[in-house]
Amino acid sequence: NAGVTQTPKFQVLKTGQSMTLQCAQDMNHEYMSWYRQDPGMGLRLIHYSVGAGITDQGEVPNGYNVSRSTTEDFPLRLLSAAPSQTSVYFCASSYVGGDYTFGSGTRLTVV
Amino acid sequence: RKEVEQDPGPFNVPEGATVAFNCTYSNSASQSFFWYRQDCRKEPKLLMSVYSSGNEDGRFTAQLNRASQYISLLIRDSKLSDSATYLCVVNGMDSSYKLIFGSGTRLLVRP
Repeated sequence: NAGVTQTPKFQVLKTGQSMTLQCAQDMNHEYMSWYRQDPGMGLRLIHYSVGAGITDQGEVPNGYNVSRSTTEDFPLRLLSAAPSQTSVYFCASSYVGGDYTFGSGTRLTVV
Repeated sequence: RKEVEQDPGPFNVPEGATVAFNCTYSNSASQSFFWYRQDCRKEPKLLMSVYSSGNEDGRFTAQLNRASQYISLLIRDSKLSDSATYLCVVNGMDSSYKLIFGSGTRLLVRP
């Protein structure tokens, strides 16, 4: 049972490049979400999904897209990377009303 | 007003000390409460759920006061390994899925 798996662990992008951060869970959780965490700050919700085919915006969605074609996968796409998107990105999943299980994070630097 | 508020600390205590963190939340209808622990540059991990009657897990005790809308975490006999950031977590106003994370309280336990 792997839990929540995020790839890659580290990534450096040039301004304007696009990329996809992968997140997969094997716990059959309905809910999945993406957060970013900047140095010394709390978690900020980017996008979330309550099930396959259903996604919604969090508090900081601009510059990011998501899709949820299966229960297991919830990729996060950066459309045109900007230095302001340099951050640590965490994916999390849960059952309804349950606690979250987090992935180990992706450390992204945009130069 | 933030939905979940915590004193950012840091709390700097000697080994063996007892330390308490408080957290206030704004949604009186919240039903799910948790404490998470986050080590530096790592993902948040569930420390314990918080139940209405209060609950204990070894050296850790969590209390919920619904009337005053605050949650507390008590750590007894602090260990060096308890040094981390402790996140107060409450389910959000608009969904039982969405958990709202406080910004965290940093604990430093010194020898």
